[in-house]
Amino acid sequence: DVKVTQSSRYLVKRTGEKVFLECVQDMDHENMFWYRQDPGLGLRLIYFSYDVKMKEKGDIPEGYSVSREKKERFSLILESASTNQTSMYLCASRRQGPLYGAFFGQGTRLTVV
Amino acid sequence: GDSVTQMEGPVTLSEEAFLTINCTYTATGYPSLFWYVQYPGEGLQLLLKATKADDKGSNKGFEATYRKETTSFHLEKGSVQVSDSAVYFCALSGAGANNLFFGTGTRLTVIP
Repeated sequence: DVKVTQSSRYLVKRTGEKVFLECVQDMDHENMFWYRQDPGLGLRLIYFSYDVKMKEKGDIPEGYSVSREKKERFSLILESASTNQTSMYLCASRRQGPLYGAFFGQGTRLTVV
Repeated sequence: GDSVTQMEGPVTLSEEAFLTINCTYTATGYPSLFWYVQYPGEGLQLLLKATKADDKGSNKGFEATYRKETTSFHLEKGSVQVSDSAVYFCALSGAGANNLFFGTGTRLTVIP
């Protein structure tokens, strides 16, 4: 089974802190994604990566950055956390090509206080 | 651009009722279509998919048929169970695209 693992289920951080969310997949997928999920807004794409060191902005990249130094690992960075970044963060990976579905991690619920 | 419009919820049904969750899409070319399910406190799981017109995806008693003429991919189940209570997302992947476009999700609650 494909496994996508996010480093934390729950995180509480203070405003202004630098926050790292880590995601690892074990199926050699080319594409990896970070979404945030908020009630009534569904899933919104923050960033995605289609190869090592390659990234593209999604719909809501402001306040976030990403890093993909190895194929299996995709990190989301909140440079200076703010309360409006309190949310559920979902990582996903996907094989290249439109025929394939994405596999999701279990999510990280981040609270910024 | 590519997009998915999904029926708004929440939907509440009694056990053994028939379920339909509507999903329509806008895309150029021939996208692939997906339904995902999210159980409480978990990430999304792929439920079923269809990759060309008239394909029917099915899994766990759920079905959806890719209808190009109506640009739809409605999710159906003949007899829902309490364990089907979850949020359901319709999604689309355009031809040649790396990304998936998701609907806003429909929360289903099944009561005994």
